Amino acid sequence: AQSVTQPDIHITVSEGASLELRCNYSYGATPYLFWYVQSPGQGLQLLLKYFSGDTLVQGIKGFEAEFKRSQSSFNLRKPSVHWSDAAEYFCAVGQSGGSYIPTFGRGTSLIVHP
Amino acid sequence: NAGVTQTPKFRILKIGQSMTLQCTQDMNHNYMYWYRQDPGMGLKLIYYSVGAGITDKGEVPNGYNVSRSTTEDFPLRLELAAPSQTSVYFCASRRDRETGELFFGEGSRLTVL
Repeated sequence: AQSVTQPDIHITVSEGASLELRCNYSYGATPYLFWYVQSPGQGLQLLLKYFSGDTLVQGIKGFEAEFKRSQSSFNLRKPSVHWSDAAEYFCAVGQSGGSYIPTFGRGTSLIVHP
Repeated sequence: NAGVTQTPKFRILKIGQSMTLQCTQDMNHNYMYWYRQDPGMGLKLIYYSVGAGITDKGEVPNGYNVSRSTTEDFPLRLELAAPSQTSVYFCASRRDRETGELFFGEGSRLTVL
């Protein structure tokens, strides 16, 4: 069965600092990978996704993520964090080849200090 | 451009009451999902549907029921509400089976007292 691990429950960074949120997945075949962001009181919004091809994926709001098959990871990065990036971030995995049930990690809460 | 619409946004129930959370989407998506979100637990799948007339259980279906009579609507029914069902509920839809992103509603916060 597929699974997603986000090892960090909370991450605190200063505004302007770089950010990396970790995501590890467990799945035997080629996964489809997603990062979603949830602002307080809102639903989830897609930041970026990886299906195939270039392993470095660009998303909205200046985020990027890199798929590393050897490490089963899909870490999210941003070179300079803005106060408005404070939110909950979820990594999700979907199976290739027919599954239609995406699995979500537990989420990482990002706190941004001024 | 409505997307996925959930109602109500907030609701307080007494133990044993029943209610229906409404979800409708205007994107003609076949795949629809109900998740619940509890603090620190991420999203847990309750039920999902791959098209009108077809539904199936997810990870945590006990105490809930769904129906899918049209492509647009996917209501979630809570029977005999219990405090353990206090949560935030999200409805989501998806265009295609394999690669499509999920589009989420804004959530329904339910408290059972």
